Amino acid sequence: SQTIHQWPATLVQPVGSPLSLECTVEGTSNPNLYWYRQAAGRGLQLLFYSVGIGQISSEVPQNLSASRPQDRQFILSSKKLLLSDSGFYLCAWSGQSTDTQYFGPGTRLTVL
Amino acid sequence: GEDVEQSLFLSVREGDSSVINCTYTDSSSTYLYWYKQEPGAGLQLLTYIFSNMDMKQDQRLTVLLNKKDKHLSLRIADTQTGDSAIYFCAEMSRNQGGKLIFGQGTELSVKP
Repeated sequence: SQTIHQWPATLVQPVGSPLSLECTVEGTSNPNLYWYRQAAGRGLQLLFYSVGIGQISSEVPQNLSASRPQDRQFILSSKKLLLSDSGFYLCAWSGQSTDTQYFGPGTRLTVL
Repeated sequence: GEDVEQSLFLSVREGDSSVINCTYTDSSSTYLYWYKQEPGAGLQLLTYIFSNMDMKQDQRLTVLLNKKDKHLSLRIADTQTGDSAIYFCAEMSRNQGGKLIFGQGTELSVKP
């Protein structure tokens, strides 16, 4: 069966520091991968998605970037965090032939 | 743009039925989903319905789709305290390149 992991689970970082969040998927190959942010207001905002290694689409211009160095690994990064980057970051995957997205456990990021 | 709307809160008594409603605007939606989010956790896929179906039942969950009115509902029979969570409605929007469009979530509170 497929599983999706995210780490770290929680992170507290100072303003201006770099960020690296990791997401990995097991039990499937060539998945579509997604990064979402959930702010305090609950709504989910799609940040990036990827249909293959090195292929990244950005949905919202911002202080973040994403990379996919391996088939089942998706990384969310920032060079300098802003206070507004605080939130709950969720990674999701879907199969190439299905649209249903499955979510990871999330990373709670607090920028102070 | 495409939009999905839900009421923000619902409170029921343990043992009663809960009905969570959702409206969407994209007439080209192919799949509609219900996700459950418990505090501090990721989104758990509960169920989904294909747009050419009217109803889908899965144990205590019943999904009703009125495609004419673009209205989706999730009924939870015999609601338990463990059902307390935020429930998200989402549509797969062909008009937005197959992306998931989420509602703001309905917080279900189950009182003993």
